[in-house]
Amino acid sequence: RKEVEQDPGPFNVPEGATVAFNCTYSNSASQSFFWYRQDCRKEPKLLMSVYSSGNEDGRFTAQLNRASQYISLLIRDSKLSDSATYLCVVTSNAGGTSYGKLTFGQGTILTVHP
Amino acid sequence: GAGVSQSPSNKVTEKGKDVELRCDPISGHTALYWYRQSLGQGLEFLIYFQGNSAPDKSGLPSDRFSAERTGGSVSTLTIQRTQQEDSAVYLCASSLVDVGGTDTQYFGPGTRLTVL
Repeated sequence: RKEVEQDPGPFNVPEGATVAFNCTYSNSASQSFFWYRQDCRKEPKLLMSVYSSGNEDGRFTAQLNRASQYISLLIRDSKLSDSATYLCVVTSNAGGTSYGKLTFGQGTILTVHP
Repeated sequence: GAGVSQSPSNKVTEKGKDVELRCDPISGHTALYWYRQSLGQGLEFLIYFQGNSAPDKSGLPSDRFSAERTGGSVSTLTIQRTQQEDSAVYLCASSLVDVGGTDTQYFGPGTRLTVL
């Protein structure tokens, strides 16, 4: 079983739609959680961190459920420019060290069409 | 300010040759990471540096892979006797420090390696 699992999609939605992505992680010791965005043939860029209390950044809302080991990303009022691959990312301390090795999901492909 | 830079941006090599990939992290960032993104495989961790030390090399796929970092800045990833399965995009990231794994990692544009 992969440590971080996502539905690969693709998701094809019209402009203005609301779309939700889900992610599960297997390591209960995971400590930090993120959503990254990766455009075609570009490097990943941090979209937002994810907190247990939930957090919102404009049209984007992220949620974390530690009990279920589940992370979500909601995009409201989709724009053409939201088309990208969305990567669910977790960090876990490795062998007692206190650093954040990023473990990535496979990514969910989103295409927003006119 | 300048972000993470990597060179070359593209590298085509023949099977069996050695290659060196370079990463220049953001100035002042003490933590540096190498990842690999293969077609259909997603991003996978290779190695982590804190300063010039590499406390975690667990992601290096074989002993043909090595990396070093000098002066707490530039890092070089070396692949010896390249194989076709080494073809991938090699991404470098850096973060300011990395206590607790909460610092944002900033990625470079990657080096696309093709082994013929």
